[in-house]
Amino acid sequence: SQKIEQNSEALNIQEGKTATLTCNYTNYSPAYLQWYRQDPGRGPVFLLLIRENEKEKRKERLKVTFDTTLKQSLFHITASQPADSATYLCALDMDTDKLIFGTGTRLQVFP
Amino acid sequence: EPEVTQTPSHQVTQMGQEVILRCVPISNHLYFYWYRQILGQKVEFLVSFYNNEISEKSEIFDDQFSVERPDGSNFTLKIRSTKLEDSAMYFCASSERQGNEKLFFGSGTQLSVL
Repeated sequence: SQKIEQNSEALNIQEGKTATLTCNYTNYSPAYLQWYRQDPGRGPVFLLLIRENEKEKRKERLKVTFDTTLKQSLFHITASQPADSATYLCALDMDTDKLIFGTGTRLQVFP
Repeated sequence: EPEVTQTPSHQVTQMGQEVILRCVPISNHLYFYWYRQILGQKVEFLVSFYNNEISEKSEIFDDQFSVERPDGSNFTLKIRSTKLEDSAMYFCASSERQGNEKLFFGSGTQLSVL
């Protein structure tokens, strides 16, 4: 079955730096991959979706890449701010009506 | 911005009791979902619903679970006889397009089974 791996360790970075989060998956490549942000006690919030035929997608300070050869997506936040501190979830479509989520990576941006 | 609303935010129940979790999806959305998240674990798919029927369900969604869209706005999840292991945060989600693109999640109902 499809497995998703995200850095389970928290990522601590200084304000202004670029945060890079990794999502690796096994088995077949999904048609697309999504990134969500989750704050404590809240539901996930959609950030970006990237399709298998897209190498890169950007939205403001966010950038996502998708490498189907490496079976990996990278999520970048440039010029990070303390308000970016949250858990970031990678989610894969299984070509069905369900999303498979990773465990998430907790990002802490300190001043 | 439109949002998915869930009630109640917290529900405490005794083992064996029935609970109904309620959701109001975004009004022009056609695809509805329930996910759950046990404390410290990943978000897990339970069920998807479209055109008044279940389109897919996970192995977690056994005979004790059911979903319903009783009117044009509400979407409910019922657990008939709760177990201790049902304790989790339950999230409702909706989307405009098929195929899980861009899900909008509610803030969740924290269910505690004692």
